[in-house]
Amino acid sequence: AQTVTQSQPEMSVQEAETVTLSCTYDTSESDYYLFWYKQPPSRQMILVIRQEAYKQQNATENRFSVNFQKAAKSFSLKISDSQLGDAAMYFCAYTLSGTYKYIFGTGTRLKVLA
Amino acid sequence: ETGVTQSPTHLIKTRGQQVTLRCSSQSGHNTVSWYQQALGQGPQFIFQYYREEENGRGNFPPRFSGLQFPNYSSELNVNALELDDSALYLCASSSLGQGGTEAFFGQGTRLTVV
Repeated sequence: AQTVTQSQPEMSVQEAETVTLSCTYDTSESDYYLFWYKQPPSRQMILVIRQEAYKQQNATENRFSVNFQKAAKSFSLKISDSQLGDAAMYFCAYTLSGTYKYIFGTGTRLKVLA
Repeated sequence: ETGVTQSPTHLIKTRGQQVTLRCSSQSGHNTVSWYQQALGQGPQFIFQYYREEENGRGNFPPRFSGLQFPNYSSELNVNALELDDSALYLCASSSLGQGGTEAFFGQGTRLTVV
């Protein structure tokens, strides 16, 4: 069975600094997607970044980038130049390609300090 | 905004009652998945509907049931409510077989069972 583990319940970062959120996963499949979602107090799950397992290049979206280590089954999120609006719960998620059935981690609460 | 809307936003029910939650999919999407997110946890997959048929189910009892309509909107029904059913219920809209890469989430329905 596939699992997703986020070992950091809470992280803090100073405004304008860089923070890395960790995620590991377990699967025997080869064709899958990994995602980072942000969930602010408004509850809406907002897609931050996605990574296709077959792509070796790490995904980047503006201030957000991932370190995807397929052999180690690790998928960390780096947030650069942190902003107050980045404060939220961050969830790592896995899905088999084409199924849209997500397995989520337990989340990391990110606090941004002014 | 994802174009996925859920109603109601909040709901309070008594143990033993039945509840129906609604989800309107994003235009062009043919698949709806439902998730239960308990407080402080990541979302857990309940089931998925594709073209009005159940297309996979997570570890939830039969008192959790669903429907998908020809316009691809969906309902989640929960019978014989228990206190542990108190959670945020999220629906996610996607397009199976149409080459998309991620699902789009609604803002959720907060269910409280007393």
